[in-house]
Amino acid sequence: DQQVKQNSPSLSVQEGRISILNCDYTNSMFDYFLWYKKYPAEGPTFLISISSIKDKNEDGRFTVFLNKSAKHLSLHIVPSQPGDSAVYFCAACSYGQNFVFGPGTRLSVLP
Amino acid sequence: EAGVVQSPRYKIIEKKQPVAFWCNPISGHNTLYWYRQNLGQGPELLIRYENEEAVDDSQLPKDRFSAERLKGVDSTLKIQPAELGDSAVYLCASSSPPGTSGSSSYEQYFGPGTRLTVT
Repeated sequence: DQQVKQNSPSLSVQEGRISILNCDYTNSMFDYFLWYKKYPAEGPTFLISISSIKDKNEDGRFTVFLNKSAKHLSLHIVPSQPGDSAVYFCAACSYGQNFVFGPGTRLSVLP
Repeated sequence: EAGVVQSPRYKIIEKKQPVAFWCNPISGHNTLYWYRQNLGQGPELLIRYENEEAVDDSQLPKDRFSAERLKGVDSTLKIQPAELGDSAVYLCASSSPPGTSGSSSYEQYFGPGTRLTVT
C-alpha cells in the first residue's frame, strides 16, 4: 500500500508558465514533507520542505502548499524554465521516523 | 564541501555472484541511509545508521544483504548472492540533525547512486 502517491507520472509545461506537481499521502501521522529533484544519472537533490504547522513555504520560484485535511501537497514552479526538466519526488515522514518517497513525476519544460 | 561519494557508479554481474557498494557520507553527518530505487519508483529505505549503529534495518533482506559502517563514517552494502530482481539503483544518503552542520531541516543529501544490473 503506497503511503505517498504521485498520480501523474509525467507533466509537460511551456517555458515561462506555471508547473504544478501534486502529491497525496494516506498516513495522517506524517508531519514533515520534502520535495526532491532528480536529473538522470544523479542522486536526488533537496528542493524545498514544509512542516505540518504551516500551509505554505516559498523559496524563490518554488512554493509548496500543504492541505492537511485533504492529505495533499503541491509544488508550484513559477516561471518554469527548461532547466527544471527533471523527475520530482515527494517524501513524507513522521517525527523520528524514516521518509517515505512517492514514485515521482517527470516534468518536461518545453522551450 | 564534498558531497556524498559512491562507488562504483555502474556494476554488471551475473546472478549468484557477490557485489559490494561503498559510500562516503558528507563530513560530520552522523546519519547514513542506504536506499534501493527500482525503475519508475521512488527510493525505498534498506537501512539507516546513526553513527556506527544500524537503528533501522527492517527492510533489509537479511538472507542476502548485509551492511556495515565501521567507525561511523564510510559504509559498505553487500549482496551475496545477487538475484535478477536485485537490479536497481542503490543510493546512499547522509544527514545531520537540524541545527547542526548548517542544516535547518531534515533533508538528506544523496550520492549519485550505483546502477546494478544482474544478468
